[in-house]
Amino acid sequence: NAGVTQTPKFRVLKTGQSMTLLCAQDMNHEYMYWYRQDPGMGLRLIHYSVGEGTTAKGEVPDGYNVSRLKKQNFLLGLESAAPSQTSVYFCASSYGRDQPQHFGDGTRLSIL
Amino acid sequence: AQSVAQPEDQVNVAEGNPLTVKCTYSVSGNPYLFWYVQYPNRGLQFLLKYITGDNLVKGSYGFEAEFNKSQTSFHLKKPSALVSDSALYFCAVRLPYTGRRALTFGSGTRLQVQP
Repeated sequence: NAGVTQTPKFRVLKTGQSMTLLCAQDMNHEYMYWYRQDPGMGLRLIHYSVGEGTTAKGEVPDGYNVSRLKKQNFLLGLESAAPSQTSVYFCASSYGRDQPQHFGDGTRLSIL
Repeated sequence: AQSVAQPEDQVNVAEGNPLTVKCTYSVSGNPYLFWYVQYPNRGLQFLLKYITGDNLVKGSYGFEAEFNKSQTSFHLKKPSALVSDSALYFCAVRLPYTGRRALTFGSGTRLQVQP
C-alpha cells in the first residue's frame, strides 16, 4: 500500500529558482494538504484542497502556488525560491475534513 | 482564531512509568481535537481524536486522551511507557461551524523514554 507519496525526497535549490513538489495519494481521498515543518514551530498549513479542481490558502501561502487537476495529485510550486523557504514539506490527505490525515514522508528542501 | 499550545518542548519518562503529554487549546465553542505522532524522518501518524461524546478517548498503540472543557485541555496519556514510544507528538485543533476547514497544529513535544 503506497498511501501518500512525495517526490522528490531531497532537493537543493538556488535562490530565485523554481520547482514543483509532487504529492500522490492512492486512497481516493477528497482532501489534500501541504504543510511545512520548521524547528520549534510545528506544522504550518500552506495550501489545501477539498476536492479535484479546488484549492484554498492556509496559514502561510505567500510564495507558493498549488494545483489539483487530478483527484489523486496535489502539486506545490515555488515560483522564486527564497532561503526562508528552506524547510521540510509534508503532504497529507484525508477522506473528509475531520477524518485522520495520512502523511507522506516529506521533502527536505534547502534554498541556498 | 483557533490555537493550541503544547507547554513542554520535551518530556522524559522511564520505561514502564505512566506518561503524559500536555495540550491546551484556546478557542471559543466546542473544538475538535487530535493527536498525531511523528517518528524520525517520517510523516505524522494519527493517534486519536475527540469530536463529541465520552471525554476519554482511546487511540492507537495504547494511548488515550481526556477532553477537559473546564481546563481547556486535551492531554495525551499512556499507563506504561515503552522505549519505542519515543517520538515527537503533536496536538491539533479545529473549531467546527466556522469557515476554517483545516487543523491548527501545536509546536510539538518530544517524548524521550529511557530504558
